[in-house]
Amino acid sequence: DSGVTQTPKHLITATGQRVTLRCSPRSGDLSVYWYQQSLDQGLQFLIQYYNGEERAKGNILERFSAQQFPDLHSELNLSSLELGDSALYFCASSVGLAGQETQYFGPGTRLLVL
Amino acid sequence: KNEVEQSPQNLTAQEGEFITINCSYSVGISALHWLQQHPGGGIVSLFMLSSGKKKHGRLIATINIQEKHSSLHITASHPRDSAVYICAAFTGNQFYFGTGTSLTVIP
Repeated sequence: DSGVTQTPKHLITATGQRVTLRCSPRSGDLSVYWYQQSLDQGLQFLIQYYNGEERAKGNILERFSAQQFPDLHSELNLSSLELGDSALYFCASSVGLAGQETQYFGPGTRLLVL
Repeated sequence: KNEVEQSPQNLTAQEGEFITINCSYSVGISALHWLQQHPGGGIVSLFMLSSGKKKHGRLIATINIQEKHSSLHITASHPRDSAVYICAAFTGNQFYFGTGTSLTVIP
């Protein structure tokens, strides 16, 4: 158990809908990272937050947004969902600011868009 | 264009064999990560390297910054090492992932 929790574990929804994925980092970790893993694209970095502020941005679509709250949990919002958004979404946390530390991964949320 | 290339894509080994997985990258990095993804999907971070070599149990990771190359070695491989191993290059504000090496260790 990494200490990182993600909810829900599974999500089935329809095209055009909006969903919210939630991540609680390990106690004491200030950074949260979001990743998408699909069969055709592999793992992709979406975005990083550090202590409530956006720190780094990867291949995150405009239809997607994220935020980190004062209690350090983070939410990833996916809207106008398309079939191609079906994937595993992981969050990870680390203590510090830069991506030069061990990251602890959550179990992932499996999203299926029908 | 793939910023990170891994080889081999698939690897089958007999228990006890020494295993090497290679990772080459084309971007300037501040760190190189090695991840292990279990068959159930969970991901564990194995190493973070910015230079030299690190060892943890039977796993060793090395990096050559000049050649933009990293290797992950597994000594005395065991069936429980069967997993997908992924390298990720961190540039300072972006992560680039390899496509992974699927390792199967046969008893």
